[in-house]
Amino acid sequence: AQSVTQPDIHITVSEGASLELRCNYSYGATPYLFWYVQSPGQGLQLLLKYFSGDTLVQGIKGFEAEFKRSQSSFNLRKPSVHWSDAAEYFCAVGGNDDYKLSFGAGTTVTVRA
Amino acid sequence: ETGVTQSPTHLIKTRGQQVTLRCSSQSGHNTVSWYQQALGQGPQFIFQYYREEENGRGNFPPRFSGLQFPNYSSELNVNALELDDSALYLCASSSFGGHQPQHFGDGTRLSIL
Repeated sequence: AQSVTQPDIHITVSEGASLELRCNYSYGATPYLFWYVQSPGQGLQLLLKYFSGDTLVQGIKGFEAEFKRSQSSFNLRKPSVHWSDAAEYFCAVGGNDDYKLSFGAGTTVTVRA
Repeated sequence: ETGVTQSPTHLIKTRGQQVTLRCSSQSGHNTVSWYQQALGQGPQFIFQYYREEENGRGNFPPRFSGLQFPNYSSELNVNALELDDSALYLCASSSFGGHQPQHFGDGTRLSIL
């Protein structure tokens, strides 16, 4: 069975500081990995995705993520956080023959001035 | 490009009632997936529709049912509502295939009294 673990429930970071959100997945075949962001009262917006190839992927809003097969991880990073990055972040896994995404429980990011 | 739109935005029902939620897929997409997001949790896959047929289903009882129409829009129907059905219901559209990123609407907030 596929699953995603996001170990950090809540992270507080200062504006301008770097951010890293952890994601560990379990999937029996080649995984497709995604990071989504959700602002209060809104749906999920796709930040970036990994299918194959270069293990460092770039996304929107200055985010990047690194796929590490040996660690079953897909951590999200941003070098310098802006106040507008305060939101809930979800990591998700799917597969080529899979019809669903399995999501982690999410990490809430708070940005302090 | 028109994104995924869902209606209504909010809905209040009582236990035992039935509800229908609607979703218009993003232009160019032929697949619709529905997810339930309880408060403080990640989205849980309900089912997916492709070519007007159910393509896969998560761990939800039969009282959760759906439809997809020729224009790729979709409905989620829930019968015999229970208190635990209170959640944000998210619709996502995509092109068919596990590697295709799913694009989400803003959801319908369903409250059961």
